[in-house]
Amino acid sequence: AQSVTQLDSQVPVFEEAPVELRCNYSSSVSVYLFWYVQYPNQGLQLLLKYLSGSTLVESINGFEAEFNKSQTSFHLRKPSVHISDTAEYFCAVSDRGSTLGRLYFGRGTQLTVWP
Amino acid sequence: GAGVSQSPSNKVTEKGKDVELRCDPISGHTALYWYRQSLGQGLEFLIYFQGNSAPDKSGLPSDRFSAERTGGSVSTLTIQRTQQEDSAVYLCASSWGQGGAGELFFGEGSRLTVL
Repeated sequence: AQSVTQLDSQVPVFEEAPVELRCNYSSSVSVYLFWYVQYPNQGLQLLLKYLSGSTLVESINGFEAEFNKSQTSFHLRKPSVHISDTAEYFCAVSDRGSTLGRLYFGRGTQLTVWP
Repeated sequence: GAGVSQSPSNKVTEKGKDVELRCDPISGHTALYWYRQSLGQGLEFLIYFQGNSAPDKSGLPSDRFSAERTGGSVSTLTIQRTQQEDSAVYLCASSWGQGGAGELFFGEGSRLTVL
């Protein structure tokens, strides 16, 4: 089974500042990687995913994440955050060859963007 | 409906009672998942359905937990003889095929409180 570590439970930043939310996973077995976001009073939504190909993946709202196999990391970054980015962010991993939708989640990082 | 629908949104019950939680997935999604989100454990996988079959139920924490899916659509998660440690938010998700290339669509969850 995978273990996913999100190193920061809370990240407060000011608007327009850059942010990095860190995620590490335990296994070197081939994996699929995801970031999900949960806005207040809403369900989890897929933000971005890495399945194969380019190790740098991007979302439509300016977030990006880079798969680093040697460091077993999938950190999420945004160069300039907005107040509307305030949400809880979950990193998730799925083992290739197992149930694809069986995700192992980190404990989540609460991103709070202040004006 | 347009999204994954779960009911009830909130359920308060007494220890020892049985509860049923319902999930109505996105129309046409063949895969359905139940997850549990609790303060102590984060997000945990419970069970996966493909159609009406459950090829992976390895996440169910005890034999008090069961789930079924009928007509390849609605699913019910049943918890018998509830215990206080069952208190959590129970999330349902659905996807195209097996995992839908990793994109799960989550409902807003059913918050269960066991007194």
